[in-house]
Amino acid sequence: QQQVKQSPQSLIVQKGGISIINCAYENTAFDYFPWYQQFPGKGPALLIAIRPDVSEKKEGRFTISFNKSAKQFSLHIMDSQPGDSATYFCAARLDSSYKLIFGSGTRLLVRP
Amino acid sequence: ETGVTQSPTHLIKTRGQQVTLRCSSQSGHNTVSWYQQALGQGPQFIFQYYREEENGRGNFPPRFSGLQFPNYSSELNVNALELDDSALYLCASSSSGLTYEQYFGPGTRLTVT
Repeated sequence: QQQVKQSPQSLIVQKGGISIINCAYENTAFDYFPWYQQFPGKGPALLIAIRPDVSEKKEGRFTISFNKSAKQFSLHIMDSQPGDSATYFCAARLDSSYKLIFGSGTRLLVRP
Repeated sequence: ETGVTQSPTHLIKTRGQQVTLRCSSQSGHNTVSWYQQALGQGPQFIFQYYREEENGRGNFPPRFSGLQFPNYSSELNVNALELDDSALYLCASSSSGLTYEQYFGPGTRLTVT
């Protein structure tokens, strides 16, 4: 199975709150899991990424939590700001290629 | 260091026509991947080029073809355009080796009427 399932489809958070987006996968051959942020009319921008040998990675307000046994990973945005309002995509890479398989996206709205 | 650039920004074509989209990879990157992003969906992998050779292909028909040049820039060609080809076409560059990061350009918005 070469799918990455992402939820929720949309998310509304108050300024200062925590935004949590979840992804799940089946293929254990995935070896790299990036998150991308995309604003309307722009290309996806790499936000943060993790390898399966690490359970958590933090960069500023963004944290990836990775559960290898459950085949799930999530993005946490702490102290969410209106400027974080965008669509977020999780992705996974097969260890035999540079091909990225993307989730369906989560549209985040952070209210002032 | 310049990022990934794509041209044109927008394009309108008629069904049955052919189109060529262009991408310049980020400095130091020798691998280019192309993705199609339909409205409201995640990007779908079309193919990848490494050192001027196709290095993997997604589930797209042969009318989607590409080229990579010695300077690592790339073209995506689509023949016999169909209405469903309307999408944002994204180019991503990466360097071979241990780094996995792919950096995307701003995309070309193709509308087929």
